[in-house]
Amino acid sequence: NAGVTQTPKFQVLKTGQSMTLQCAQDMNHEYMSWYRQDPGMGLRLIHYSVGAGITDQGEVPNGYNVSRSTTEDFPLRLLSAAPSQTSVYFCASSPRPGQGNQYFGPGTRLLVL
Amino acid sequence: TQLLEQSPQFLSIQEGENLTVYCNSSSVFSSLQWYRQEPGEGPVLLVTVVTGGEVKKLKRLTFQFGDARKDSSLHITAAQPGDTGLYLCAGPNTNAGKSTFGDGTTLTVKP
Repeated sequence: NAGVTQTPKFQVLKTGQSMTLQCAQDMNHEYMSWYRQDPGMGLRLIHYSVGAGITDQGEVPNGYNVSRSTTEDFPLRLLSAAPSQTSVYFCASSPRPGQGNQYFGPGTRLLVL
Repeated sequence: TQLLEQSPQFLSIQEGENLTVYCNSSSVFSSLQWYRQEPGEGPVLLVTVVTGGEVKKLKRLTFQFGDARKDSSLHITAAQPGDTGLYLCAGPNTNAGKSTFGDGTTLTVKP
C-alpha cells in the first residue's frame, strides 16, 4: 500500500491563480481531511469528509473548496490564491470518522507570490 | 469547542537526559493520539491511549492518559538526537467526526 499520497510536493503560484492539490489513499478509509500548517500555529483543519459524497468545513475553510466523489480521492481547490495561503498542506485519512488515528501524506509546500 | 494545550512549546536538551511533555484539556476525550513530525514530513502516529489511567510504552517513550481522560503526557528516557522533532497530541471530536490538534512541542536533542 502507498498509504496517503499528495501531489505536487512543491508549488509556486501568483496571486489570483487557481490550482488543485491532489490527495489519494489506498487504504479504503472513510474519513479524509485537509490541514494547513504554519509556523507557531500547529495544524488547522480546512475541510473534512466522513465518506464519499459528504464534505464539511473545518476551522479555516475560506478560499478553499473540496469534493469527495470517490472513497480514494479528496482534492483541495484554491479558487483564487492569496499570499495568506502560503503554507504547508497535509492530507490525512482515518479508517472511520471519530476514531482519531490519522495517517498523513508527505505534504505540499505552497508559496503564493 | 474541545481544545488541547501542549507544554512546553519548545524544549532543548542534551543527549541522555529525560523529558516530559504535556497535553491538557478541560474536555473529556474518548482517546488521545500522539504524533511525531520530522522536518519536511507529515506527522506519524506514535500511539493511541483509550482508557483513563492507561500507560503505554514504546521503547524509551512512555505515554500516559489521565484518569479523567482530559490530559496525557509523553515521557522520553535517555533522549537521543533521533528523537528530535515536533510532538503533537490530538483527540477526536466524536460528535463531529473530526480531530483537534494541540500546537505541539518542538524537541531538540543535542549530541
